Amino acid sequence: KNEVEQSPQNLTAQEGEFITINCSYSVGISALHWLQQHPGGGIVSLFMLSSGKKKHGRLIATINIQEKHSSLHITASHPRDSAVYICGGYTGNQFYFGTGTSLTVIP
Amino acid sequence: ETGVTQSPTHLIKTRGQQVTLRCSSQSGHNTVSWYQQALGQGPQFIFQYYREEENGRGNFPPRFSGLQFPNYSSELNVNALELDDSALYLCASSLRAQGGETQYFGPGTRLLVL
Repeated sequence: KNEVEQSPQNLTAQEGEFITINCSYSVGISALHWLQQHPGGGIVSLFMLSSGKKKHGRLIATINIQEKHSSLHITASHPRDSAVYICGGYTGNQFYFGTGTSLTVIP
Repeated sequence: ETGVTQSPTHLIKTRGQQVTLRCSSQSGHNTVSWYQQALGQGPQFIFQYYREEENGRGNFPPRFSGLQFPNYSSELNVNALELDDSALYLCASSLRAQGGETQYFGPGTRLLVL
């Protein structure tokens, strides 16, 4: 069993739809990171959160520390949101990341 | 762009050879983490360097080693290359060690082992 699990693995949405990507973890992560990886490999850090909720533009990330669960929401999705979204975090001596959710937004 | 650079961008090696990958961290950052990302997988943590000392290591064998220099740039060395070492190698710099800092990723080095 992986320390960080994401669902769904793949997601196709129509432009404008509201999207939710889920992340569950079994290790003691102190801060949860959400990353975005575009084709070609470049990774951008979207959020780093240890409690509550953060919002940046159309993206919202929430975390429930007790349940070891985080969600990434995208409102009014756009084709440029098509990417792989990866969650994970640091346990005190190493980082663990999930395998990612591949999102395709169709115009 | 994050200001983190990696070299080379692509590399082809044969099994048994040794390779050195380089990473220049963002200005002001004293921590560099290295990751291996196989096709279709998430980044796997190799190790982290903080102020020139190893500060955490993932489940990688000792033939994966690293260095961090006084200017906080870093090297990843892999000895006795195996076919399974073929992957994208990413480095990420951050302002401080531990996990509570934003990670700034470089573009990666694609390594192919034949």
